[in-house]
Amino acid sequence: GQQLNQSPQSMFIQEGEDVSMNCTSSSIFNTWLWYKQDPGEGPVLLIALYKAGELTSNGRLTAQFGITRKDSFLNISASIPSDVGIYFCAAQNTGTASKLTFGTGTRLQVTL
Amino acid sequence: NAGVTQTPKFQVLKTGQSMTLQCAQDMNHEYMSWYRQDPGMGLRLIHYSVGAGITDQGEVPNGYNVSRSTTEDFPLRLLLAAPSQTSVYFCASSYTKTTSPLHFGNGTRLTVT
Repeated sequence: GQQLNQSPQSMFIQEGEDVSMNCTSSSIFNTWLWYKQDPGEGPVLLIALYKAGELTSNGRLTAQFGITRKDSFLNISASIPSDVGIYFCAAQNTGTASKLTFGTGTRLQVTL
Repeated sequence: NAGVTQTPKFQVLKTGQSMTLQCAQDMNHEYMSWYRQDPGMGLRLIHYSVGAGITDQGEVPNGYNVSRSTTEDFPLRLLLAAPSQTSVYFCASSYTKTTSPLHFGNGTRLTVT
């Protein structure tokens, strides 16, 4: 099945640094979502994007829906230790039988 | 509000055994689904349901059965467990299939020896 290409796969950063990760696809989608997964738990929705070009913030997190509808990025500003986890992008075409497709995840580790 | 509840949290099976993973949600969501999560593979859809009495296959349905007799419950059955089914399983639900983001349970870690 189709999959989203998410990068980087993992990253180590220092507390206070900004983080950027992105997700690309060869297919067009009309919904992009970003989830975070903490160890031993299920993914939790961070940001949902429904319109090409849309830029949405949730606290220190900012995500954008690419103009081409084939990509999205997530930025985390001034990272803190609790930002540690795996971040997944997901995309979907609403109104069709298409399922939600997930990226392979970006593992973020924050050092003091 | 409990959200999506999965049981058990951990399970070890021997090859050929069967078991049922339970999933319940108390948000009156129409759409429920099962995913498996494997290293480097992201989350892959196994089966889904758009309402009570309706189920359909996802990307990797082989070896699994589901049923949806009530809006709240969506159990996943492994008929003849195989080592390839060792994975972390997540149940997720949303108000509708096409418009609402998924809410996930905390997962069941299954090991098949």
